[in-house]
Amino acid sequence: NAGVMQNPRHLVRRRGQEARLRCSPMKGHSHVYWYRQLPEEGLKFMVYLQKENIIDESGMPKERFSAEFPKEGPSILRIQQVVRGDSAAYFCASSPPGQGIGQPQHFGDGTRLSIL
Amino acid sequence: DQQVKQNSPSLSVQEGRISILNCDYTNSMFDYFLWYKKYPAEGPTFLISISSIKDKNEDGRFTVFLNKSAKHLSLHIVPSQPGDSAVYFCAASNFGNEKLTFGTGTRLTIIP
Repeated sequence: NAGVMQNPRHLVRRRGQEARLRCSPMKGHSHVYWYRQLPEEGLKFMVYLQKENIIDESGMPKERFSAEFPKEGPSILRIQQVVRGDSAAYFCASSPPGQGIGQPQHFGDGTRLSIL
Repeated sequence: DQQVKQNSPSLSVQEGRISILNCDYTNSMFDYFLWYKKYPAEGPTFLISISSIKDKNEDGRFTVFLNKSAKHLSLHIVPSQPGDSAVYFCAASNFGNEKLTFGTGTRLTIIP
């Protein structure tokens, strides 16, 4: 999974603080996806971005969560005013440009977010 | 609404034998299916995929079978090796909508 880089690997925040999770896609990949995994569950889609555009944010909670993928730099998933229920593993994936079908997404090793 | 289901939370298989992992889906719009393998504290690793125009895809020890009428797919691993011990996730998407819908995973344990 070295191709997709996520940092930090572990993040501890107190309730009410902000959490920023970063993701650098694999070289040559312009599509970025964020997923969340709660304990003992599968991954749940949150948002799909291309450079400077949010393509699909149907899985994002309506409040406190935002994502961006600027022209330069990594994609950022931002959680404001964190609550205990935000504790989870957050995974970023990337895929190359082109049609979606037949293009597997490749995942990073995730950020484990813990809320005290 | 769990659109992708993996009904076996765990599976134990003797080394050298065949491992069969199953996955069912309910959304008939899904036309692309993938299997990922996940070790603890790591991200999912892509294993193999299949599109709905096929019923079988093979890559080394891994074969995925798709039965569209039954909305069922399976992953066969033969022969099973100790390094195959991991959690396996089935995922699905439909053309034009790139988000993946994941099952809850099956923990495979290969017994030496």
